[in-house]
Amino acid sequence: DAGVIQSPRHEVTEMGQEVTLRCKPISGHDYLFWYRQTMMRGLELLIYFNNNVPIDDSGMPEDRFSAKMPNASFSTLKIQPSEPRDSAVYFCASSPNSGGGDYFYGYTFGSGTRLTVV
Amino acid sequence: GDSVTQMEGPVTLSEEAFLTINCTYTATGYPSLFWYVQYPGEGLQLLLKATKADDKGSNKGFEATYRKETTSFHLEKGSVQVSDSAVYFCALHQAGTALIFGKGTTLSVSS
Repeated sequence: DAGVIQSPRHEVTEMGQEVTLRCKPISGHDYLFWYRQTMMRGLELLIYFNNNVPIDDSGMPEDRFSAKMPNASFSTLKIQPSEPRDSAVYFCASSPNSGGGDYFYGYTFGSGTRLTVV
Repeated sequence: GDSVTQMEGPVTLSEEAFLTINCTYTATGYPSLFWYVQYPGEGLQLLLKATKADDKGSNKGFEATYRKETTSFHLEKGSVQVSDSAVYFCALHQAGTALIFGKGTTLSVSS
């Protein structure tokens, strides 16, 4: 398996532009997560999906952010319009389950998208 | 709500030194605990985990023991190498919810 695949690896855009980040989870993983990493705030959960359905989007900072999962093999995170404070590394991760104890093996993370908004 | 607190970094060590990175948690119920590692320019990788009190997780010479009485899961390694330089994240998980991460601790090992 190629793991969790994110694209692009780097994105530089101007303030006000629309940005779309993409993620392909591991086949068979029912859960998909979007995290944002900054020096100040560390790793923040933005949203997660179970079987393509958004379960918790309470971490999405504001209405400029939206996420979709149209099928089991693809998800997007969109920022419109983008602002300089959105600059961060955005990670996608997937997991086969979210059960507890010995049946949960954690997440597999993608390599991230480094977003710079100028 | 549930939370994870890690020691502030960076931690700077010489090769072969002993490593401890402190992690404490606040949680209702009985979470599972994890350590993830992030090498420069990469995503997070699972390093080790423990699912119940007194369990010890271990991998690549690293180990951590789930201490319920002190709500801690400190990461240790007896002899660090330059290749261990990375950011280390402590995390907890409750069934049916998402992983909650600490802010990360940067480790820098020099030869």
